[in-house]
Amino acid sequence: DAKTTQPPSMDCAEGRAANLPCNHSTISGNEYVYWYRQIHSQGPQYIIHGLKNNETNEMASLIITEDRKSSTLILPHATLRDTAVYYCIVRVAVSSGSARQLTFGSGTQLTVLP
Amino acid sequence: DAGITQSPRHKVTETGTPVTLRCHQTENHRYMYWYRQDPGHGLRLIHYSYGVKDTDKGEVSDGYSVSRSKTEDFLLTLESATSSQTSVYFCAITGDSSYGYTFGSGTRLTVV
Repeated sequence: DAKTTQPPSMDCAEGRAANLPCNHSTISGNEYVYWYRQIHSQGPQYIIHGLKNNETNEMASLIITEDRKSSTLILPHATLRDTAVYYCIVRVAVSSGSARQLTFGSGTQLTVLP
Repeated sequence: DAGITQSPRHKVTETGTPVTLRCHQTENHRYMYWYRQDPGHGLRLIHYSYGVKDTDKGEVSDGYSVSRSKTEDFLLTLESATSSQTSVYFCAITGDSSYGYTFGSGTRLTVV
């Protein structure tokens, strides 16, 4: 699976958009970008994933650059409850592969400030 | 999350004693995983299962064993607990048509 690079920490004002970047310059053509988050003391939570098109769901939007070497997770109106560690993971589709393991890096600690 | 539960939620045990953690799912998912999380190390895969009686090792499997005799249950056993196994343990599940993983709420294990 491709390696990802994320900033260790970011702050965001409550009500503003939080934009979390992820670099994945070695991504292969069949690898997806997945985002998870982990709120303190809880299990990680799936947010969104994408291959090459931008994606949006009720939680967030995912913007993937045309060359697919980087992406940005956007929380449109951050709340205090969005304070968490956000993980960007690149791997082949979860629906394929013999073991479907997820490898977590260090992630980005997002702190939403009141 | 609904559909996956871990037990116990907290446990304190003594060095050298055996400990078994349980992960139970009601989603009928094929794949189940055990991770541990420690400060400075993030989430690390211990063992995983891709079906009943089908298991394999992750990156930090030493000192741990697993069993999966039923689709719904995945057990993690520490044969002889050591202080280095003090950690938070998370179970995760995913299915053939799933895009994401669902994680349990975790088990906080302290070995004294």
